Amino acid sequence: AQRVTQPEKLLSVFKGAPVELKCNYSYSGSPELFWYVQYSRQRLQLLLRHISRESIKGFTADLNKGETSFHLKKPFAQEEDSAMYYCALSAPGANSKLTFGKGITLSVRP
Amino acid sequence: GAGVSQSPSNKVTEKGKDVELRCDPISGHTALYWYRQSLGQGLEFLIYFQGNSAPDKSGLPSDRFSAERTGGSVSTLTIQRTQQEDSAVYLCASRLAGGSGELFFGEGSRLTVL
Repeated sequence: AQRVTQPEKLLSVFKGAPVELKCNYSYSGSPELFWYVQYSRQRLQLLLRHISRESIKGFTADLNKGETSFHLKKPFAQEEDSAMYYCALSAPGANSKLTFGKGITLSVRP
Repeated sequence: GAGVSQSPSNKVTEKGKDVELRCDPISGHTALYWYRQSLGQGLEFLIYFQGNSAPDKSGLPSDRFSAERTGGSVSTLTIQRTQQEDSAVYLCASRLAGGSGELFFGEGSRLTVL
């Protein structure tokens, strides 16, 4: 069974502080991992995926197979980063369902 | 349209009534998903359609929930004999077959059961 755990429900930081949103997964194999974001009054949208190894809006996430983690990081948080963030996992290949964690609310204070 | 369209955007119903929620995916997207978003529960997978294959119904919480997808396009999620615990935002998403894996979400249908 595939499972995604986001241990924290809320993270509140001041602008300019570093951010780390934790994500751990359970999957027997090599999954594909994603972070999705939902800004206030907007649709849920893809932020980044591990296979792209990209940085989006200053965020990065590294897949650690030993620790089965895919934490999302940003060195200097901005107020516009305030949103709900979901970690998600799917089996390899395009024909797989996506399993989401329960999400974490990031609040960046001025 | 350019994105995934869901209707109604808001639905208030009385306990015991049936409701239907509609999803119109992005044209050409063969995969379609339904999720339920509620406070404290995150995004719960409900059902997944992929082309002409049998749907993955493993996330449906009870036999009061069903979904169909007609002609490989529009999907309808039906909840029979609604209960208060069914109150949530129901999200639909679609994905291009063989694509990057990115899901494109609709704005959701907010269901309130009184």
